[in-house]
Amino acid sequence: QVQLVQSGAEVKKPGASVKVSCKASGYTFTSYYIHWVRQAPGQGLEWMGVIHPSGGSTTYAQMFQGRVTMTRDTSTSTVYMEVGSLRSEDTALYYCARSYYGTSGPDFWGRGTLVTVSS
Amino acid sequence: QSALTQPASVSGSPGQSITISCTGTSSDVGHYDLVSWYLHHPDKAPKLMIYEVNKRPSGVSNRFSGSKSGNTASLTISGLQAEDEADYYCCSYTGTRMIFGGGTKLTVL
Repeated sequence: QVQLVQSGAEVKKPGASVKVSCKASGYTFTSYYIHWVRQAPGQGLEWMGVIHPSGGSTTYAQMFQGRVTMTRDTSTSTVYMEVGSLRSEDTALYYCARSYYGTSGPDFWGRGTLVTVSS
Repeated sequence: QSALTQPASVSGSPGQSITISCTGTSSDVGHYDLVSWYLHHPDKAPKLMIYEVNKRPSGVSNRFSGSKSGNTASLTISGLQAEDEADYYCCSYTGTRMIFGGGTKLTVL
């Protein structure tokens, strides 16, 4: 069955970086886009960007451009998202999710990785 | 670009029908038939309920239906059940990226 298994919770200080992983299984890794979506406490879902594992092409939401990097390792079917220059407002649950088309909303989601930014 | 506009909350009694609206612009919801809807229980993975405006994934109850008129998409849930109580989000393609609605909390009275 399809699985997107995300890395564990992280606690980081302001100004630091965090790298979250998302390991895919149960489907052809290179055939589906992987989106990253976050939810801050008490807030709604916010789309951050998308990567296509086949060629590694990426599209980022404007507000994250320059601060977020998405990469993939096809040998382990894993996608990574790194957020730099962390601030307290980046405290959120970060989800990875897949879609077959880059224009489609995701059809399957991981369970999320909690990132806490605190001094 | 701001989030798509959804009502903060809706409510209904078991067996009733409710509709959640999702208003965007002529550049996103109004331009593309690429609106999806998600059910989200806190601290769980969101679940796709509707894609491409009105299509239901396999396994989703036919009590859930989607539609669109102009710049507004809608999710209708008929025959409300207690298990439908959750947050609901719409999502649309904008031509370059995806955008979510602010979310609607559905309360089953």
